[in-house]
Formats: sequence, structure tokens, C-alpha cells
Amino acid sequence: DQQVKQNSPSLSVQEGRISILNCDYTNSMFDYFLWYKKYPAEGPTFLISISSIKDKNEDGRFTVFLNKSAKHLSLHIVPSQPGDSAVYFCAASGFHAGGTSYGKLTFGQGTILTVHP
Amino acid sequence: GAGVSQTPSNKVTEKGKYVELRCDPISGHTALYWYRQSLGQGPEFLIYFQGTGAADDSGLPNDRFFAVRPEGSVSTLKIQRTERGDSAVYLCASSPGQGRKETQYFGPGTRLLVL
Repeated sequence: DQQVKQNSPSLSVQEGRISILNCDYTNSMFDYFLWYKKYPAEGPTFLISISSIKDKNEDGRFTVFLNKSAKHLSLHIVPSQPGDSAVYFCAASGFHAGGTSYGKLTFGQGTILTVHP
Repeated sequence: GAGVSQTPSNKVTEKGKYVELRCDPISGHTALYWYRQSLGQGPEFLIYFQGTGAADDSGLPNDRFFAVRPEGSVSTLKIQRTERGDSAVYLCASSPGQGRKETQYFGPGTRLLVL
């Protein structure tokens, strides 16, 4: 079962416009969410995160929104730049069986973002 | 400073062979994770080490897969009797401690191809 889903395999936007990447989750135990960015032949790089006690977190051009009731989060990139072209992964973390706490991440399938000059 | 490194970067092997994949975490990081990424999918958790011990190996697909971290630093993922379905990118990540909200730093991965 896919507990974290990114239903858009790809997204294409014009330089300077907004990019919106979406992510849905099903597991109510998730309470911490992250976005990672991945270039070809490199490992994922952390971008931004949000705790479930918040509904928004902003870092420069990147903002993550969390809607807990809908189990949905989104990443906004404004303005988009050609260097933002990469695969973006949504990931989630939560408490595990027995109340243990560590950083096991559950990832979505990824969205390929292409920003055209 | 040096990031997470993984060797080899690429590995081609034949079905039935044994392979070892190595991960060098960031110095001082006590938490180490292995993930596997198949084509078109996101990384999938395999195993988590806190120090020398495997705290959670629930993601290992079967008993052909085994991982060690004998001195709490370098880790080796071992795959016995490889199958074509084991072909994937194997990613290693490390973080400073054991907090859920710590950033995980990923290596570039080892691309394993089983013929």
C-alpha cells in the first residue's frame, strides 16, 4: 500500500512562474513531512520540512503547506528557476510500533519538475 | 566537509552472485539508513542503524539481504544469491542522532544491475 502518494509524475512550468507540487498521505501516524530534491546520478537533497503542529513553513522561494484534515501537503516554488528542474520527493515520518521514534522515511513516487527558460 | 559516500557507484553482477555495497556516513553521525530505489519509484526503507546495532530491519525484503555496521561508522549491505529483481539504486543516508526530525543526508547511491 502506497502510504505517501504523488499523483503527478511530471510538471512543466515557465521560468518565473509558480511551481506547485502535491502530495497525499494515508497514515495518520505521520506527523513530520519533508521534501527532497534529486538531480540525476545524485542522492536526494533535503529541501524543506514541516511538523504537523504547523500548517505552513517558508524558506526563501520554497513554502510547504500542510492540510492535516485532508492529509495533503504541497510545495510551492516562487519564482521557479531553470536550476529547480529535478525530481521532487515528498516524504513522511512518524512514531513506530511501541512508540519508538526515529527517522525512518516513507517516500512518494516523485514528481519530475521541468522549468523552461 | 565530506558528505556520505558510497562504493561502488555502479555494480553489474550475474544472477546468483554475492554482492557487497559500502556506505561511509558523515563523520560523527550515529544514525545510518539504507533505502532502495527502483525505477520510477521513491526510495524505500530497508534498515536503520543506531550506532552498531540494527534498530529496525523490517524493510529488508528477505533473508538474502543483510547489513552490518561493526564499528558504528561504515556500513555494508550484503546481498546473497542476487536476483534480477534486486536491480535498483541502493541509497545510504546518515543523520547526527536518532531524532525523527533530523535532516538525513543521502549518498549518491550504488546502481546495482543483476543480469
